[in-house]
Amino acid sequence: GAVVSQHPSRVICKSGTSVKIECRSLDFQATTMFWYRQFPKQSLMLMATSNEGSKATYEQGVEKDKFLINHASLTLSTLTVTSAHPEDSSFYICSAFDRRDYGYTFGSGTRLTVV
Amino acid sequence: QKEVEQNSGPLSVPEGAIASLNCTYSDRVSQSFFWYRQYSGKSPELIMSIYSNGDKEDGRFTAQLNKASQYVSLLIRDSQPSDSATYLCAVNRYDGGSQGNLIFGKGTKLSVKP
Repeated sequence: GAVVSQHPSRVICKSGTSVKIECRSLDFQATTMFWYRQFPKQSLMLMATSNEGSKATYEQGVEKDKFLINHASLTLSTLTVTSAHPEDSSFYICSAFDRRDYGYTFGSGTRLTVV
Repeated sequence: QKEVEQNSGPLSVPEGAIASLNCTYSDRVSQSFFWYRQYSGKSPELIMSIYSNGDKEDGRFTAQLNKASQYVSLLIRDSQPSDSATYLCAVNRYDGGSQGNLIFGKGTKLSVKP
């Protein structure tokens, strides 16, 4: 089946710094990837849709200047949390759409803690 | 009204019993439906997808879809303690050939007691 690799799995950073999270589709090309955020005991909330070669589409209420998304190739999307604050601490998960089986495969997630 | 609703649980069943998980959705044009399992601290993993009305079986799992009632369910037969997790219902308004985003319910926490 499809495999999506997400790194890092855990990161602790200081308030005000930036953190980059990578999401790679290992065995298929993903023209579209999705970035979700999940707070404790909450469901996954879509932050943005990442489209290869074009600008990401952000959901209402998500600051595009704070959460920078780059989808420069068919297998890699990155999410950069800029000027991170403690309230950005969350579980960030990427997902890629696989046209071969119309399935959505998730990365393993990144636990971000901002101190 | 929330787009995808699930009973948060926890739902507790004894080992070997059938666990029944339910989900309703508000958007009538929704076309594809998914059940994911999420263990604590992990990302979701796909259990089943269903696109047509009726039942779809895969091993111990059966998904049921009723578009007229905007209802989708997941039955887990012969429940095992390893099935204890949060089960997420997800809906996509587009059909399987389109890559629209998934909308998730809050999830139902299932606990299978040995």
